[in-house]
Amino acid sequence: GDSVTQMEGPVTLSEEAFLTINCTYTATGYPSLFWYVQYPGEGLQLLLKATKADDKGSNKGFEATYRKETTSFHLEKGSVQVSDSAVYFCALKGGSSNTGKLIFGQGTTLQVKP
Amino acid sequence: ETGVTQTPRHLVMGMTNKKSLKCEQHLGHNAMYWYKQSAKKPLELMFVYNFKEQTENNSVPSRFSPECPNSSHLFLHLHTLQPEDSALYLCASSQEDGTGRGVSDTQYFGPGTRLTVL
Repeated sequence: GDSVTQMEGPVTLSEEAFLTINCTYTATGYPSLFWYVQYPGEGLQLLLKATKADDKGSNKGFEATYRKETTSFHLEKGSVQVSDSAVYFCALKGGSSNTGKLIFGQGTTLQVKP
Repeated sequence: ETGVTQTPRHLVMGMTNKKSLKCEQHLGHNAMYWYKQSAKKPLELMFVYNFKEQTENNSVPSRFSPECPNSSHLFLHLHTLQPEDSALYLCASSQEDGTGRGVSDTQYFGPGTRLTVL
C-alpha cells in the first residue's frame, strides 16, 4: 500500500540555519503531496502542497518540489526562526490504491535555538 | 467561530467512565475525520464520514463509537477505555467530490482533545 517515510528527528538547528527535512513516498498513480505543521498544543495546519510532478509548493519561506523520479518531496527553508519550532508531517493523498485518505509520515520534530 | 473546533480540549477519565468528544466545522465541508495521535507513532486515521455516511473504520475497537448527526458535527463516544487509549484525538474536515480524489485535497484540523485514561 501507499506509504510515506520521513527522516527521524529531532532536528536541532540554530536560528538562521538552512533546513532540510527529507520525505520519500511509495504510491502508484499520481498522488498529491503535502507538508503539514503542528505547533505545540495545536492541531495540524497545511503548510504547502504540490499536486503533480515538478510542481513546487511554497509558503512562509518553506519550499518543497514534487520529484517523481526520486519519489521525494523534501522540505527546505533557507533561514529558520525560533518560531518555526514544531512537528512537520509529510503526507500523500490520491495514489491509485488510496483514493480518499491522507497517508502521513511519522513526523519530524524541529527545534530552533536562538 | 471559524475553522474546526473541538471540545473539550483536555479530558481525564477512568476506565469505567463514558464520555464524548465533540467536533464542529464551520467551513461548509461534507467530510469529517477522527485521527488518533500517540507519542512516537504516526497519525492514525480512525473514522471517515462522507456526506454523513461512515465510509471508513480502520479496525477501531468498539469502545470508540462515532456519530455524525449532520455534516457540521462529529462526535466520538468513549466507554470502558484502556490506559493505552490515552492520546491526542484530532478531528478534521474537507470538501470531497464523492470520487475519493476530492474537490480540495486539503484537510483542516481542529486543535485536538488531549485524553488521559487512568
